[in-house]
Amino acid sequence: AQSVSQHNHHVILSEAASLELGCNYSYGGTVNLFWYVQYPGQHLQLLLKYFSGDPLVKGIKGFEAEFIKSKFSFNLRKPSVQWSDTAEYFCAVNAGTGRRALTFGSGTRLQVQP
Amino acid sequence: GAVVSQHPSRVICKSGTSVKIECRSLDFQATTMFWYRQFPKQSLMLMATSNEGSKATYEQGVEKDKFLINHASLTLSTLTVTSAHPEDSSFYICSALEVGPPGAPQHFGDGTRLSIL
Repeated sequence: AQSVSQHNHHVILSEAASLELGCNYSYGGTVNLFWYVQYPGQHLQLLLKYFSGDPLVKGIKGFEAEFIKSKFSFNLRKPSVQWSDTAEYFCAVNAGTGRRALTFGSGTRLQVQP
Repeated sequence: GAVVSQHPSRVICKSGTSVKIECRSLDFQATTMFWYRQFPKQSLMLMATSNEGSKATYEQGVEKDKFLINHASLTLSTLTVTSAHPEDSSFYICSALEVGPPGAPQHFGDGTRLSIL
């Protein structure tokens, strides 16, 4: 079975600081990887996704993530965070076998202080 | 962008009541919808996969007679929590998968907070 681990449960940063949120998954086969963001009071929105090709994926709002197959990781990064990035971030994976449902990590709450 | 409407957003009801939650894709067709459950400070857990025109596929440990799913059209799936009890109180979220290749994204509803007294 697939599982996803997010190591940081709550991260507090000042504006302009750099961000890296860890995500590791356990699945031996081909996977599709996602990062979702949930702003306060809003629904989940897709930040970026990796299916194949270049392991460095760029998403919306200046976010990027790097897929490192040997480490089973898909960490999310942003060079300089803004107050508006305050949200909950979820890493998710689905196996590339046709199963389309997502397995989510436990989420990381990011708080950016002005 | 694609919008998924989930209704109601919040329900408070007495134990023993059945509650129906609707999930609609507003501007796209979805042959597959997913129902997730989220406990406080925990991640989303998949409950079932809803397929248009066929029976839902339930995850291990999810009672299909407790959580009835109907996906009667390409834009609507419903989840009915039958004879709800306090332990069913949770945040329920649906997502709809656009018809298309494997890269087609899921779009999430705003969720329904269910509180059983």
